[in-house]
Amino acid sequence: GENVEQHPSTLSVQEGDSAVIKCTYSDSASNYFPWYKQELGKRPQLIIDIRSNVGEKKDQRIAVTLNKTAKHFSLHITETQPEDSAVYFCAASMLSNTGKLIFGQGTTLQVKP
Amino acid sequence: GAGVSQSPSNKVTEKGKDVELRCDPISGHTALYWYRQSLGQGLEFLIYFQGNSAPDKSGLPSDRFSAERTGGSVSTLTIQRTQQEDSAVYLCASSFGTGVTGELFFGEGSRLTVL
Repeated sequence: GENVEQHPSTLSVQEGDSAVIKCTYSDSASNYFPWYKQELGKRPQLIIDIRSNVGEKKDQRIAVTLNKTAKHFSLHITETQPEDSAVYFCAASMLSNTGKLIFGQGTTLQVKP
Repeated sequence: GAGVSQSPSNKVTEKGKDVELRCDPISGHTALYWYRQSLGQGLEFLIYFQGNSAPDKSGLPSDRFSAERTGGSVSTLTIQRTQQEDSAVYLCASSFGTGVTGELFFGEGSRLTVL
């Protein structure tokens, strides 16, 4: 089955700096790669996703890149702000009626003011 | 309701007792997931229901864990003979089904503490 590895487990940056979180996946059939943000004590929420037919997707300060050949994808947050502090999870699945979403281990991002 | 509803929000039980956790997904969502999140850990996949298909139980950690989904809607996760290592937040999520859109909508979770 699918296995998703995520690095780093913790990341601390100064406000205004960029943050990058990387994930690798094992199942070459996976074609859907979302990122979820979980603030302390709250439920995970989708922040951005990418499908395998594109290599990059941006939404304001966040972007995701995908390298299908290498089976890895990354989340990039630019101009970080204290409210970006949270746990970020990457995930992978196959977009089909049988696909299930498997998550990485999570990255705790701390943005220092 | 507008979102995924889980109950109870908190459950404290004694080792060896059985517990049931309930999930009420968003109306119209055909896919339903259970995940487990231990303190400071990631989202561990437990079980996945998609429409009328047989559930994917590959993530259940032992035969003490079971889940059912009645009428394609409400789901119940049952843990028998609870152990201390079962203490965690159990998150339910639903979606339209990964064939349409992959976004999962999570509930607030049920925090289980086994003494």
